[in-house]
Amino acid sequence: KNEVEQSPQNLTAQEGEFITINCSYSVGISALHWLQQHPGGGIVSLFMLSSGKKKHGRLIATINIQEKHSSLHITASHPRDSAVYICAVSANTGNQFYFGTGTSLTVIP
Amino acid sequence: EAQVTQNPRYLITVTGKKLTVTCSQNMNHEYMSWYRQDPGLGLRQIYYSMNVEVTDKGDVPEGYKVSRKEKRNFPLILESPSPNQTSLYFCASSLLSGQYYYGYTFGSGTRLTVV
Repeated sequence: KNEVEQSPQNLTAQEGEFITINCSYSVGISALHWLQQHPGGGIVSLFMLSSGKKKHGRLIATINIQEKHSSLHITASHPRDSAVYICAVSANTGNQFYFGTGTSLTVIP
Repeated sequence: EAQVTQNPRYLITVTGKKLTVTCSQNMNHEYMSWYRQDPGLGLRQIYYSMNVEVTDKGDVPEGYKVSRKEKRNFPLILESPSPNQTSLYFCASSLLSGQYYYGYTFGSGTRLTVV
């Protein structure tokens, strides 16, 4: 069972391109999180969303609760954005987290 | 500096030899959790804790134990490790307000190999 599905699994982009990563989930949630994992392995939380849209620098995250779907956009992509992006949801029954398998992004100069 | 500290970073052990991976946070977070990350499977939750003396099973708790005697510490115990517990382990903590998790912070990870 996959409570969280991400697409695409792998993505290669040219520097400067606009990038979109998608996340769909099947459980009821209290919030959705976007995480970034760099090649060294460390994981950083980028956003927590329960509705609407959030923006931080060149990163934009949106969520549609009715459609159970979220997108992460990166504008003017840069090689330092190369990382694995992981979608996670906190279930609204119990306090478990469920994770997508990640989208591996490579931005080529 | 606000952080979650895991130790050790790397560990090679033999089947059946009890081990503990420590996790400590300095942010006074209520929520702490352990995950394992395996290729193709992503992150999966092992155990979590909502506060001191309150722990609960995640998706993959078999073969693991935890305790939360103090707010800052949440050790992961493998009583009798087996090779299928070879994985990359992460501890994380978060402030919990209602049903929202703020300041979700991960440790640097522990790469465990069981031979």
